[in-house]
Amino acid sequence: SQQGEEDPQALSIQEGENATMNCSYKTSINNLQWYRQNSGRGLVHLILIRSNEREKHSGRLRVTLDTSKKSSSLLITASRAADTASYFCATAQGGSEKLVFGKGTKLTVNP
Amino acid sequence: NAGVMQNPRHLVRRRGQEARLRCSPMKGHSHVYWYRQLPEEGLKFMVYLQKENIIDESGMPKERFSAEFPKEGPSILRIQQVVRGDSAAYFCASSPRGLPGGETQYFGPGTRLLVL
Repeated sequence: SQQGEEDPQALSIQEGENATMNCSYKTSINNLQWYRQNSGRGLVHLILIRSNEREKHSGRLRVTLDTSKKSSSLLITASRAADTASYFCATAQGGSEKLVFGKGTKLTVNP
Repeated sequence: NAGVMQNPRHLVRRRGQEARLRCSPMKGHSHVYWYRQLPEEGLKFMVYLQKENIIDESGMPKERFSAEFPKEGPSILRIQQVVRGDSAAYFCASSPRGLPGGETQYFGPGTRLLVL
């Protein structure tokens, strides 16, 4: 079954605005990771947050994790046109190494 | 430090032919993962390998698909007798080790397979 589900499916904002994407999952996890994918390209790892962490920052990125609600959010502050991409959350469950991906949020940042 | 390398980047095959996709992990990484992505979809796990061992192939179709990661050389994902439904982007990822709780996986640029 599909684990991470991102919300919204598509998001269009103006440069300089903040973008918030959400991810929900169903089972207990060890960690949750966010990736970015530019159109037709590979995935770029953004940030990993472990199940015992609640918040993590990396540059303009802020990720939160609420294990009681089985949800995570990715906030991109002061967005730029170059942030236009699809963003995926991925979870690792139990003792497994494999990542389970959602369908992604397609973010468009208009200049 | 070169990232994960995949080749070819694009592959066109006719129905019934074989497709071989190659993945060289990042230097120092001994764990390789293969994922498949259909258009407008997220990635789906296929197989997880360490050198000379298949650790988890729960996402791999039982027929026509096989994977290996030999002691020397790249990891190979092999699809025999391809069908149109195999058309997808195939991504390889690597990590330095497998840790309980997971490890950051670094992805290659992918191989886009088109079956005519």
